[in-house]
Amino acid sequence: AQSVTQLGSHVSVSEGALVLLRCNYSSSVPPYLFWYVQYPNQGLQLLLKYTSAATLVKGINGFEAEFKKSETSFHLTKPSAHMSDAAEYFCAVSEPNSGNTPLVFGKGTRLSVIA
Amino acid sequence: NAGVTQTPKFRVLKTGQSMTLLCAQDMNHEYMYWYRQDPGMGLRLIHYSVGEGTTAKGEVPDGYNVSRLKKQNFLLGLESAAPSQTSVYFCASSPPLRDEQYFGPGTRLTVT
Repeated sequence: AQSVTQLGSHVSVSEGALVLLRCNYSSSVPPYLFWYVQYPNQGLQLLLKYTSAATLVKGINGFEAEFKKSETSFHLTKPSAHMSDAAEYFCAVSEPNSGNTPLVFGKGTRLSVIA
Repeated sequence: NAGVTQTPKFRVLKTGQSMTLLCAQDMNHEYMYWYRQDPGMGLRLIHYSVGEGTTAKGEVPDGYNVSRLKKQNFLLGLESAAPSQTSVYFCASSPPLRDEQYFGPGTRLTVT
């Protein structure tokens, strides 16, 4: 059964520093992987997704993630944090070719950006 | 194009009262979902629908019922609200053969 683990419920970085949010998945086949962002009092918004094409995926707002099959990871990075990046981030996984199997979400990582 | 909308945005219920949350999407998506979000628990799937007239249970279906009478609407009902159902509820939809989900803005429900 597919599952996803986000390491660290809260990450704090300084403005301008590297952002690294970790996501590891468990799936019987190479999955589809997603990162969503949730700003305060809003719904979730798709940042980027991996669907078995290029392993390095670029998303909105300067974020990117790299699919590493050997490490079963899909970590989210951004070279330089901005105050506006403060939000909650969710990793999600889905097994392809199984219809629209509902996504399985991680528990989320809250990112704080310190001025 | 409004995307996914949810009604109401906020609601306070007393224990034992009932209510219905409405989700509407204008993207002609086949699939719709209801989640609840609680601190430290992430998103948990309550029920979902793979098409008009069909529904299925998710991870935490107890205490909730759903209906999908029209393709664009997905209703979530609480027949007898309990304090444990205090949460933020999100609706989402997705097109067929793709997994990307589009989320509504959420409904904050408090049961006292």
